[in-house]
Amino acid sequence: EVQLVQSGAEVKKPGESLRISCKGSGYSFTSYWISWVRQMPGKGLEWMGRIDPSDSYTNYSPSFQGHVTISADKSISTAYLQWSSLKASDTAMYYCARHAYDSSGCDYWGQGTLVTVSS
Amino acid sequence: QSVLTQPPSVSGAPGQRVTISCTGSSSNIGAGYDVHWYQQLPGTAPKLLIYGNSNRPSGVPDRFSGSKSGTSASLAITGLQAEDEADYYCQSYDSSLSVFGGGTKLTVL
Repeated sequence: EVQLVQSGAEVKKPGESLRISCKGSGYSFTSYWISWVRQMPGKGLEWMGRIDPSDSYTNYSPSFQGHVTISADKSISTAYLQWSSLKASDTAMYYCARHAYDSSGCDYWGQGTLVTVSS
Repeated sequence: QSVLTQPPSVSGAPGQRVTISCTGSSSNIGAGYDVHWYQQLPGTAPKLLIYGNSNRPSGVPDRFSGSKSGTSASLAITGLQAEDEADYYCQSYDSSLSVFGGGTKLTVL
């Protein structure tokens, strides 16, 4: 069974760093891209960026470039989304999702990780 | 403001047919890139509903169908059921990056 299991909810203060994870199982992790998607409270889906776990090649949306870093460790089938300095506006639900190639649909999604940034 | 434009809301009575539009441009849908549709029930992760413009993943009822023409795409839902009440999003590709529509809230009256 294909699964993407994300790390648990986080509560952080502005300026702190954070890394959340997405562990894939039930499939060949290096055969599918992983995208990260943000959903702010009461808002729509925003594509943040993606990574090809086979070689760690990444693409970012201009809206998120420079503010987050996407990485992967194929040895443990895990992708990451990290911030070096959180802002209150980063408060959101974050989803990881896999897709077969860069423009294909996301057929499996993680359960989401809620990040709350508050002083 | 999303690159792909969807109506904020649509509604219909049980049993009726509704459509949700997704309007793009010559740099995304009009460039020939596929459109995918997702259903997001309250409090849950999105679920792939339609991929490659008109294909249904295994397990998705045939009440759901997708189409694409020119710079737009549409999701149609026939035989509307109470359980279809959810948010729906289109997704495509633009300038080597993925983009989502703003989302449409479907209310079943």
